[in-house]
Amino acid sequence: ETGVTQTPRHLVMGMTNKKSLKCEQHLGHNAMYWYKQSAKKPLELMFVYNFKEQTENNSVPSRFSPECPNSSHLFLHLHTLQPEDSALYLCASSLQRGSQETQYFGPGTRLLVL
Amino acid sequence: GQNIDQPTEMTATEGAIVQINCTYQTSGFNGLFWYQQHAGEAPTFLSYNVLDGLEEKGRFSSFLSRSKGYSYLLLKELQMKDSASYLCAVRDSNYQLIWGAGTKLIIKP
Repeated sequence: ETGVTQTPRHLVMGMTNKKSLKCEQHLGHNAMYWYKQSAKKPLELMFVYNFKEQTENNSVPSRFSPECPNSSHLFLHLHTLQPEDSALYLCASSLQRGSQETQYFGPGTRLLVL
Repeated sequence: GQNIDQPTEMTATEGAIVQINCTYQTSGFNGLFWYQQHAGEAPTFLSYNVLDGLEEKGRFSSFLSRSKGYSYLLLKELQMKDSASYLCAVRDSNYQLIWGAGTKLIIKP
């Protein structure tokens, strides 16, 4: 139990579908992150929220849309995805962005785009 | 560019010792992390080094040499449950985490 939960754990979607990934942290952290993990590649940071404000968007295509309604919840809205977007999507949290940044990860959502 | 290098895969025997190396070239340095990730699970934090030297935590130890841009994770008395991927990550001068691709460790009986 890491204190960071993600739903769903597995998702299969067509290229025309719209779906959302949800992340919740119970650690009292103020920073939350979305990562993409593809096989045999480094983790790719997608978005960072610090105190509910988006502080980083690492050139992520607009078909990925994050939402952070409060410091405990983070969403990733998906629409018109491509097969190459199939990957493990990991959510993480840390006390805050910057020096206090030991990140704690959720179990991930395994996404398959057909 | 920024880069983290670690071996793709290593194999070791139960009960033995294994050392997983990580070399980095980054814009500044504000600490190095090791994470363990079992297949299909979340990466879990193992260790953090910001000063040179060895940090020991039970069967696991992590070493850092900032002048050489080098770290290693040492696992002793290997157990089957240590079969996992081990991720090295460096925090640069902008507090951005730069990740390696991970080392898949296979433990054989």
